[in-house]
Amino acid sequence: GENVEQHPSTLSVQEGDSAVIKCTYSDSASNYFPWYKQELGKGPQLIIDIRSNVGEKKDQRIAVTLNKTAKHFSLHITETQPEDSAVYFCAASLFGNEKLTFGTGTRLTIIP
Amino acid sequence: GAVVSQHPSWVICKSGTSVKIECRSLDFQATTMFWYRQFPKQSLMLMATSNEGSKATYEQGVEKDKFLINHASLTLSTLTVTSAHPEDSSFYICSAGGASGLPYNEQFFGPGTRLTVL
Repeated sequence: GENVEQHPSTLSVQEGDSAVIKCTYSDSASNYFPWYKQELGKGPQLIIDIRSNVGEKKDQRIAVTLNKTAKHFSLHITETQPEDSAVYFCAASLFGNEKLTFGTGTRLTIIP
Repeated sequence: GAVVSQHPSWVICKSGTSVKIECRSLDFQATTMFWYRQFPKQSLMLMATSNEGSKATYEQGVEKDKFLINHASLTLSTLTVTSAHPEDSSFYICSAGGASGLPYNEQFFGPGTRLTVL
């Protein structure tokens, strides 16, 4: 089955700087790659996603890049703010299968 | 749009009792609902996938007789933890997907239910 690795596990960034979280996946058939933000005691919230027919997608301060050849995708957050502090999960799903395989998570801390 | 609710948000029960958790899609009809379990500081682990009107598909290692899933309608799925024990204490999260008109593969997550078994 699919395996998703995520790095780093923790990340501290000065407010205003950029944060980058990276994930790799194992199954080349995967075609959907969402990123979720989870605050303490809450369910995951979709913040951005990308499909395999696109190399990059941006939504204001958040962007995701996908390298299908290398089988990795990354989350980029620019101009970080204290409210960006949370745990971020990447995930992947196989074409024709809605099941998501999650990465291990990254705890992002924005230092004021 | 695409809101998923869970009830209760937290529950404390005694060992040996059963607990039911409800998951509802509030503004869309979901053909598929998923149940996850998340232990502290860990990732989400898929427990089972349920489709309306059919039996749930459980992931390897998940006891189907212990975690009963019912998907009675396109807006409601329930997870019953039977004969709960302290090791079942966890954060249970549902998600809904397969909604008509929404992007394929996209899942919408509920706020989670914190289960504590004494």
